[in-house]
Amino acid sequence: EAQVTQNPRYLITVTGKKLTVTCSQNMNHEYMSWYRQDPGLGLRQIYYSMNVEVTDKGDVPEGYKVSRKEKRNFPLILESPSPNQTSLYFCASGRGSDTQYFGPGTRLTVL
Amino acid sequence: GQQVMQIPQYQHVQEGEDFTTYCNSSTTLSNIQWYKQRPGGHPVFLIQLVKSGEVKKQKRLTFQFGEAKKNSSLHITATQTTDVGTYFCASRETGNTPLVFGKGTRLSVIA
Repeated sequence: EAQVTQNPRYLITVTGKKLTVTCSQNMNHEYMSWYRQDPGLGLRQIYYSMNVEVTDKGDVPEGYKVSRKEKRNFPLILESPSPNQTSLYFCASGRGSDTQYFGPGTRLTVL
Repeated sequence: GQQVMQIPQYQHVQEGEDFTTYCNSSTTLSNIQWYKQRPGGHPVFLIQLVKSGEVKKQKRLTFQFGEAKKNSSLHITATQTTDVGTYFCASRETGNTPLVFGKGTRLSVIA
C-alpha cells in the first residue's frame, strides 16, 4: 500500500530535549516536505527536499533541521525544542511538488 | 514570498445548501491544487488545475481556475454531512518553487 508514515504519532517532551520525528514514504517520490499546522495559521512549510541531499528552507525553518540521505526518508530534528514548537506536524511527499501525499501527522507537545 | 489568500475562513451551512471557497493570489500561478482535511485527519488531495479557465467536476464538487491563473474556487452543490472538514488550496508560481498552502476554509454542515 502506497503511504507516508510518521513516527511517533504523539509526543510529549520537555524544553531542550532533542527529538527526531521520522518520515518515510514507499512511493519513490523525489519531493518531500514538512509542515506544521496551528489553529488559524493553516499549513506552514518548515523544510522541503527536491531530492536526495537537496534540502531548502520553507516559511518557518527556525528551530528545525532536516536531512535527506535516502530517497524514502526525511526526518525532522528539533535540537532544542521550545514550547512554541508545540504543534501538529505533517510530512508529505510527491512527484515534484505536484500532488502531495500526507502522513497521518505527529502531535507534539513541548512543556 | 508567494502568498495565497483563502476566503472565507469559516462557513456554516444547512445540509443541502451550496458552499463555495475562494483562493486568490497576487501573482500568476503555475497550477492550483485542492485538498480536504477531515476533523482529526490529514490533508487529502482532491484535484489539480493547470490550464487557464479550467473547470473540473467531481460529483457535487466543481473546481475552477481563473482565466488569469490568479484565482480559483471550489463549489459544493447540496452539501452533505460528509463534506465537513477544512478545504485548502495550494499553489506554486513555477515548476521549481515549493507548494504554498492557503489557510483553509473550515466547513460545518448542520443536519
